Amino acid sequence: ILNVEQSPQSLHVQEGDSTNFTCSFPSSNFYALHWYRWETAKSPEALFVMTLNGDEKKKGRISATLNTKEGYSYLYIKGSQPEDSATYLCAFMSNDMRFGAGTRLTVKP
Amino acid sequence: DGGITQSPKYLFRKEGQNVTLSCEQNLNHDAMYWYRQDPGQGLRLIYYSQIVNDFQKGDIAEGYSVSREKKESFPLTVTSAQKNPTAFYLCASSISPRQGTQYFGPGTRLLVL
Repeated sequence: ILNVEQSPQSLHVQEGDSTNFTCSFPSSNFYALHWYRWETAKSPEALFVMTLNGDEKKKGRISATLNTKEGYSYLYIKGSQPEDSATYLCAFMSNDMRFGAGTRLTVKP
Repeated sequence: DGGITQSPKYLFRKEGQNVTLSCEQNLNHDAMYWYRQDPGQGLRLIYYSQIVNDFQKGDIAEGYSVSREKKESFPLTVTSAQKNPTAFYLCASSISPRQGTQYFGPGTRLLVL
């Protein structure tokens, strides 16, 4: 993988559902993996920075894992709420920062 | 409050015209960045600056120019050489280039008349 790829492109879930999505990145020259949350009409905000293989980070109902050897990170949201609706961006940092296209999450009440 | 401001929110460009997008930060960050977003694509790096009076081209620098005369300011000029300028432009800053968390402004949407 030469670029940063995120899947799915979009996701619609019901309130209370748990969900997860994937960020795939090159497995060489790894420095860090960032997750950002981007709500409509707002600026992207940093969620997590992960640097070590096997890292797990958690913030409230949102958590993320990192596998640098195989080049992927998962973002999990437990018990989705409408306010979780946003685009979730991952960014792979080596010599520069490369962003994925994002996963757009919509949580229906 | 500390943060990044971008202006204007919307900008209209006529054919052959140069336009400048403003980006200001009061976070005392050394590094600043300009990204372009097109529908269905990730953020693509136009230019970045690691320190005052220094800047580097990103992946899609053609048709754009920048300056970094002050630590707080990193304006982006979209020149007439940029043939497809319609996009959403985001400015960001970080403490240093390798201190990776970036803080973003609210963005400027550029439209061509």
